[in-house]
Amino acid sequence: EAGVAQSPRYKIIEKRQSVAFWCNPISGHATLYWYQQILGQGPKLLIQFQNNGVVDDSQLPKDRFSAERLKGVDSTLKIQPAKLEDSAVYLCASSLWGPYEQYFGPGTRLTVT
Amino acid sequence: DQQVKQNSPSLSVQEGRISILNCDYTNSMFDYFLWYKKYPAEGPTFLISISSIKDKNEDGRFTVFLNKSAKHLSLHIVPSQPGDSAVYFCAASAATGTASKLTFGTGTRLQVTL
Repeated sequence: EAGVAQSPRYKIIEKRQSVAFWCNPISGHATLYWYQQILGQGPKLLIQFQNNGVVDDSQLPKDRFSAERLKGVDSTLKIQPAKLEDSAVYLCASSLWGPYEQYFGPGTRLTVT
Repeated sequence: DQQVKQNSPSLSVQEGRISILNCDYTNSMFDYFLWYKKYPAEGPTFLISISSIKDKNEDGRFTVFLNKSAKHLSLHIVPSQPGDSAVYFCAASAATGTASKLTFGTGTRLQVTL
């Protein structure tokens, strides 16, 4: 069974630039999550999709972050414009349903200079 | 507001000995707890979980203990192996249906020495 795929693995941008991350969850997983993990901290949920509907985006900085899940499968997370404090690893995860036993992708390490 | 706390940022244990990783939580609504293991440059991997209706769950070398009155859980690894060296995250969830989300601790880096 293929795992959660993410791209790119690494990205370096200057502040005020835009960036997009892509995630392909495990086939058949209805729930998809985007997390932000800042160095030395645990993953923090940014947004949760159930199929292609948003069920929780309470911690997503909506003035600069946006996310969508197309046809209930792939998802993209965008930051526009980026700030220095957005430097982090962005993790995508999926699960069959609910929050239990989430399967994580390898993450995208973003560096904003 | 850190609802899930892992107060030990690092732990070093000799191979063959027991590793005990601790986690405290403050939200009494949490009723499902998980441990994830993370190697460098990889995403976290699910390790073991426990529901609040239990006080112990065992899977091979890994056992999780839950003390609800103390709002404390621990992960025991016996015997510890060099391949167990990783960062371990404790996570908790409150049962509110599919909108339930995981709240993670800050992680404990385990180093198993030869």
